[in-house]
Amino acid sequence: GIQVEQSPPDLILQEGANSTLRCNFSDSVNNLQWFHQNPWGQLINLFYIPSGTKQNGRLSATTVATERYSLLYISSSQTTDSGVYFCAVVNTDKLIFGTGTRLQVFP
Amino acid sequence: GAGVSQSPSNKVTEKGKDVELRCDPISGHTALYWYRQSLGQGLEFLIYFQGNSAPDKSGLPSDRFSAERTGGSVSTLTIQRTQQEDSAVYLCASSLGPRFGRIANEQYFGPGTRLTVT
Repeated sequence: GIQVEQSPPDLILQEGANSTLRCNFSDSVNNLQWFHQNPWGQLINLFYIPSGTKQNGRLSATTVATERYSLLYISSSQTTDSGVYFCAVVNTDKLIFGTGTRLQVFP
Repeated sequence: GAGVSQSPSNKVTEKGKDVELRCDPISGHTALYWYRQSLGQGLEFLIYFQGNSAPDKSGLPSDRFSAERTGGSVSTLTIQRTQQEDSAVYLCASSLGPRFGRIANEQYFGPGTRLTVT
């Protein structure tokens, strides 16, 4: 089956710093989503991005489907950005999740 | 608008008991999914319902697990004879469904049910 790898596994930042999270996948996929899991466990949709680049405020994402990777950029990080970021690819309708990047932002 | 809702939010049960977990998808969404999140296995797919089609049960870990979806809306996940390894957060998601095009496959998650088997 499709393998989804995320890096880095852990990231510690000071408020105001920028970061890049990476998601590699092992086969062609129909779609890709990025989620933020907040400290209460809720999965929050960030981007639905099978290809190309999208931006939403301080966050942006780029997926290069032909090279099987996606990047999530967080600029000017805030403490509220803390949590786990998951990349998930769609394979025959179901999501296959990566293992996540745990982000901690300190003031 | 209302998102995906799940109940109960927490459930503690004794080993060997049966449990039922409920999911209410977003109104108008034809596709419904169950996933679970556990420390050892991460986030994994369990079962997928799309309209009136037969569900994709390929992710169910054993025959103790079953799910149904009544009237194309609410779904119930049932775990029979619970075991300690069933302890996890069970997440439900819904999407508009593939007939609306690829963008309609974006999945939205509920808050989950935390199941603890003692």
